[in-house]
Amino acid sequence: GQQLNQSPQSMFIQEGEDVSMNCTSSSIFNTWLWYKQDPGEGPVLLIALYKAGELTSNGRLTAQFGITRKDSFLNISASIPSDVGIYFCAGRFQGGKLIFGQGTELSVKP
Amino acid sequence: EAGVVQSPRYKIIEKKQPVAFWCNPISGHNTLYWYRQNLGQGPELLIRYENEEAVDDSQLPKDRFSAERLKGVDSTLKIQPAELGDSAVYLCASTRGGLTGELFFGEGSRLTVL
Repeated sequence: GQQLNQSPQSMFIQEGEDVSMNCTSSSIFNTWLWYKQDPGEGPVLLIALYKAGELTSNGRLTAQFGITRKDSFLNISASIPSDVGIYFCAGRFQGGKLIFGQGTELSVKP
Repeated sequence: EAGVVQSPRYKIIEKKQPVAFWCNPISGHNTLYWYRQNLGQGPELLIRYENEEAVDDSQLPKDRFSAERLKGVDSTLKIQPAELGDSAVYLCASTRGGLTGELFFGEGSRLTVL
């Protein structure tokens, strides 16, 4: 079926460290999106990727759309306590359907 | 610009009772999504609307779930009767549409079925 494999499931890091997470799929996507969700809130869009191979930054966040359109990674540099939360990748098919990965829970130790 | 508005934020009901959730998308957004998010999981699509038309409801459990978006703006998701397994957060999202529109989510409606 259509699904995204997101890894790792959880990360425990020290403040100031860099973070990397990724998503892979057997499906080809038109768009990749990365979201962050805080407890009790809806997901908030961090970065959107539209072209194969595209590398996009948003402050300390950097994400790339894989050349094959089947994968993406998200990097966070110099993590801070407010980076704590659950990060989701999402792949959007050409017809508009959007599916989500299972999430990466990030914990940052001050 | 106001974001996606959902209500209620929280709902606790007993099994077999009905429940309804309401969503008002961002103004001008033609496409509306309902997602269900179980604890520790990513959101899963229930239904997608393009204006008032449901273009993808393949994952909506139609025996007990229904949704409508009569005027192509706000939408209602109903469960009748609710089961214990329906406990989850129900998220509404909207986008301007097209192939690259970014989805914006509401805060969600957390349902607990006892």
